[in-house]
Amino acid sequence: EVQLLESGGGLVQPGGSLRLSCAASGFTFSSYAMNWVRQAPGKGLEWVSLISGTDAYTYYADSVRGRFTISRDNSKNTLYLQMNTLRAEDTAVYYCAKGRSGVPAAINYWGQGTLVTVSS
Amino acid sequence: DIQMTQSPSSLSASVGDRVTITCRASQGISNYLAWYQQKPGKVPKLLIYAASTLQSGVPSRFSGSGSGTDFTLTISSLQPEDVATYYCQKYNSASFTFGPGTKVDIK
Repeated sequence: EVQLLESGGGLVQPGGSLRLSCAASGFTFSSYAMNWVRQAPGKGLEWVSLISGTDAYTYYADSVRGRFTISRDNSKNTLYLQMNTLRAEDTAVYYCAKGRSGVPAAINYWGQGTLVTVSS
Repeated sequence: DIQMTQSPSSLSASVGDRVTITCRASQGISNYLAWYQQKPGKVPKLLIYAASTLQSGVPSRFSGSGSGTDFTLTISSLQPEDVATYYCQKYNSASFTFGPGTKVDIK
């Protein structure tokens, strides 16, 4: 059974940093692209970032490029999102999400999400 | 960047009605299009990928069609458990944008 468990969310001041983690299990982690997708309270889904299975390439939404960094440790089956220079508009539930196969791919599994609140 | 739009933004229909949601890309994306269902308080669920391929376990009343810039998600006979927001997503090129969503409820 595929499981994705996010952690690291919380309250942070504007301009601050936070690192999200996603522990994956139930599949061959290194074979799949992984995503971060966020959803602000009462709003729609926003794709944030994607990393290929072998870590060969990464992609970012314009809204986070230069501030967020996606990475993965295939030896630990863990996905990360380093978030710097956080803004109020980054407040959202952040989901770790697994692609169906290599890039490009639809998302077939989602974690339960971790809430990030950026506020003074 | 390629933009994704959906119409309508919301709809209300009766149980048993045929429901159609449209998704449009500002540039051609071949068939790199997925549809997701998100019920209130739940995580999204994949319904359709490659524009028209039904994800395993999804009821056959859901179907997808289209290619290039125009896509549709059809629910052939709306059921009470289909109350949700539906999102399309492109997954070609270097950006994987979601549409703004279509909220579906029962009349």
